[in-house]
Amino acid sequence: GAVVSQHPSWVICKSGTSVKIECRSLDFQATTMFWYRQFPKQSLMLMATSNEGSKATYEQGVEKDKFLINHASLTLSTLTVTSAHPEDSSFYICSANPRGGGRTDTQYFGPGTRLTVL
Amino acid sequence: TQLLEQSPQFLSIQEGENLTVYCNSSSVFSSLQWYRQEPGEGPVLLVTVVTGGEVKKLKRLTFQFGDARKDSSLHITAAQPGDTGLYLCAGVRAGNMLTFGGGTRLMVKP
Repeated sequence: GAVVSQHPSWVICKSGTSVKIECRSLDFQATTMFWYRQFPKQSLMLMATSNEGSKATYEQGVEKDKFLINHASLTLSTLTVTSAHPEDSSFYICSANPRGGGRTDTQYFGPGTRLTVL
Repeated sequence: TQLLEQSPQFLSIQEGENLTVYCNSSSVFSSLQWYRQEPGEGPVLLVTVVTGGEVKKLKRLTFQFGDARKDSSLHITAAQPGDTGLYLCAGVRAGNMLTFGGGTRLMVKP
C-alpha cells in the first residue's frame, strides 16, 4: 500500500525558533501534498496545498510567511514553522495524492508530527 | 465556505450496542470519505462514497451517502472496544481538497 512518512514524529522547541517538518511519499510519486493542523480534541484543518515545482496555495487565515512550504521533488514536501510561538503548538499532518493511476481522490496520510513550543 | 457538521461529537456506549454517526452539509460534494483516527496518528481511510443513495458495508460498519450527496451516515453494529477512536467525515471538493467534519469521538466500554 501507499506509505507516507513524516519526520520528526515529535519536536519540542523554544519560542522564536524555526522548525522544519518533512513529509515523504515512500513508494509512490505525489504531484500534490496537503498540510493539515489539528489542535487537541479538534478535527483536521487544511493549511495549504503543496504542488511539486510551484508555490503552495494557502487556505484563508494561514500566514504563508510563517508556514513556509517547499515541494522540491515528487516525493518530498517540507513545512517550516518560522519564529514558532506557543500558540503554534499542534499536531501537523501531511497527506499525498499519488501521481497518475488509481482514484484521483485518494489521499494517503502521514502519521503526524507533534510540535510543542515552549 | 463548505462546512460539514458531524453529530454527535462524543459517544460513549457499552460493547454490543449499535450506533449511528451523522455528517451533514448544505453543499454538494463530488464524493465523501470516512476516516478513523487513533490518538497520535494520522487518519486512515475507511470508505469513499460517490453516488447519491450509495450504501457500502465494511464488516460491521455501514456507510450511506444521501440521495442529494449532501449528507452521510456511519452505522456500527454490535460495537466493540476496538472500535474506539475518532471518526471523521470529509467532503471531497475541487482540486481534490478535503473538508473535514468536526469529528465524533467514540468510546466503547467492555
